[in-house]
Amino acid sequence: GQQLNQSPQSMFIQEGEDVSMNCTSSSIFNTWLWYKQDPGEGPVLLIALYKAGELTSNGRLTAQFGITRKDSFLNISASIPSDVGIYFCAGLEGGYQKVTFGTGTKLQVIP
Amino acid sequence: NAGVTQTPKFRVLKTGQSMTLLCAQDMNHEYMYWYRQDPGMGLRLIHYSVGEGTTAKGEVPDGYNVSRLKKQNFLLGLESAAPSQTSVYFCASSLAGGTGELFFGEGSRLTVL
Repeated sequence: GQQLNQSPQSMFIQEGEDVSMNCTSSSIFNTWLWYKQDPGEGPVLLIALYKAGELTSNGRLTAQFGITRKDSFLNISASIPSDVGIYFCAGLEGGYQKVTFGTGTKLQVIP
Repeated sequence: NAGVTQTPKFRVLKTGQSMTLLCAQDMNHEYMYWYRQDPGMGLRLIHYSVGEGTTAKGEVPDGYNVSRLKKQNFLLGLESAAPSQTSVYFCASSLAGGTGELFFGEGSRLTVL
């Protein structure tokens, strides 16, 4: 089945640094989403993007819907310890009810 | 307000045994999903349902069956468990397709020996 490729797979950063991660697909999506999973919990939606080229912010998080509709990017500014977790991108194809998830980026923040 | 509740949270099975995971949601959501999470593989869709009495296959449906007899419940069954089904299983629900906003349960960790 189709999966979205995320990079990097994991990253260690110093508290206060900015973080960038991206997600690519071989298929076009009409909606891109970013979820965060805390240890021992289910994923929670952070940002949803509905239009190609769209740039959306949620506090220190900023995400972009790639112009080709085959990729998306997430930036976290001034990281803090509670940013630790796994970040998943997800895509929704037009006309379908299925949400396809990426392979995840594991973020560790060093205080 | 419970949201999405999964039972059991943990289970150990022997190869060949059967079991059922129960997912219950109290948000009156139409759509429900079962995913499995494995290291390095992300979340992969097993089966999903777009309404009471309906089910559909996802990416990795083999070895699993599902039922949606009531709108609030979505059951995932393993008829004959295999070690390859050792995983963390997540149930999710959404109001309707087209937004991609899923609400997840806390997960069920299954180990098959």
